[in-house]
Amino acid sequence: GESVGLHLPTLSVQEGDNSIINCAYSNSASDYFIWYKQESGKGPQFIIDIRSNMDKRQGQRVTVLLNKTVKHLSLQIAATQPGDSAVYFCAERVTGGYNKLIFGAGTRLAVHP
Amino acid sequence: SQTIHQWPATLVQPVGSPLSLECTVEGTSNPNLYWYRQAAGRGLQLLFYSIGIDQISSEVPQNLSASRPQDRQFILSSKKLLLSDSGSYLCALDRTAGYGYTFGSGTRLTVV
Repeated sequence: GESVGLHLPTLSVQEGDNSIINCAYSNSASDYFIWYKQESGKGPQFIIDIRSNMDKRQGQRVTVLLNKTVKHLSLQIAATQPGDSAVYFCAERVTGGYNKLIFGAGTRLAVHP
Repeated sequence: SQTIHQWPATLVQPVGSPLSLECTVEGTSNPNLYWYRQAAGRGLQLLFYSIGIDQISSEVPQNLSASRPQDRQFILSSKKLLLSDSGSYLCALDRTAGYGYTFGSGTRLTVV
């Protein structure tokens, strides 16, 4: 069946270090992937996306990597800051029909000073 | 720009009581709208989506229902709440750029 999961439920990093959050997906037909950030008491916030015909996309301090061979997605955050502490979700868009997203379970990122 | 409003932010309801959560959107017309549930410390589960007024599709069988009486209004309801209905309920709409959603801030529901 369709599923998107995450390798690590929690990740603790030191302020200033780089963070890498991983995600595995199972639907090889998915054409679009998204990373969301959710801070406590708020709804998920869009961070960055990538189409299935790309393997890398960069934003401001964030990079998403897509490896379709092993169905793996990662989010890299450079120079992690306390404000990056949140739960991060990956999501895949299922092709066909409406704009359906399947979300992973989430990884909590804790940034320590 | 599109905005999405949900209320209330938190809610405590007794088992067996009814529920009505409202979501309204601005800055867009004829949006696709979604209701997601998020259990504490868990991922997001799609409950309902709507492509237009009175057009509702359910993704999972459950104790909840949804309605869309107006283009920019999406309502999540229950006639009798269960303990298992506790969680956060998020309303979302399609982003204007690319795919993916814009989410509301959610309603945290505790059934006691």
